[in-house]
Amino acid sequence: ETGVTQSPTHLIKTRGQQVTLRCSSQSGHNTVSWYQQALGQGPQFIFQYYREEENGRGNFPPRFSGLQFPNYSSELNVNALELDDSALYLCASSLAASQETQYFGPGTRLLVL
Amino acid sequence: LAKTTQPISMDSYEGQEVNITCSHNNIATNDYITWYQQFPSQGPRFIIQGYKTKVTNEVASLFIPADRKSSTLSLPRVSLSDTAVYYCLVGEGTGRRALTFGSGTRLQVQP
Repeated sequence: ETGVTQSPTHLIKTRGQQVTLRCSSQSGHNTVSWYQQALGQGPQFIFQYYREEENGRGNFPPRFSGLQFPNYSSELNVNALELDDSALYLCASSLAASQETQYFGPGTRLLVL
Repeated sequence: LAKTTQPISMDSYEGQEVNITCSHNNIATNDYITWYQQFPSQGPRFIIQGYKTKVTNEVASLFIPADRKSSTLSLPRVSLSDTAVYYCLVGEGTGRRALTFGSGTRLQVQP
């Protein structure tokens, strides 16, 4: 519906592994934000990318990192996975210069065993 | 960012109007008020955004009093498919700001 797509939809990893999640933003949107949503809680801001550079970061450790590509798509990388990293990871795209808000993708459900 | 307070849960019946009120006493001059809807295992969906007075779209209405310290999301004639978590957010309305979500209001619509 929003034009924001994420892959994969589900993922199972074991503790200590690394994971890469992908996001394609809505056409024309140049800003991508990533959020982590634990079960029963609201989404928590991880970081945002604008024009391929990190443009703000929430309270997440450095093992959470990201990239934005020239076509504005983005990756979220998580190293040294911990059990508490199990969550729904959401990507949201927006147009930086707009007063409009952000539009979310369907999310990637990550389970760390 | 201004902190928001909204009820943890609400119950309603099909066909009724539902009003969810959000308090944001410390809202700043540049802040907009935005509501999202989220179904289980899906990303939040933008419902409506406003700055002052009243905003209406095909899904909902948003009422904002003159002091802007609260807002009310109004869902007309809810159906079972409106069962979801509703989040009230305040912040600058640009796409470059991190969104701060609270715990939201869990709306349960009964037949």
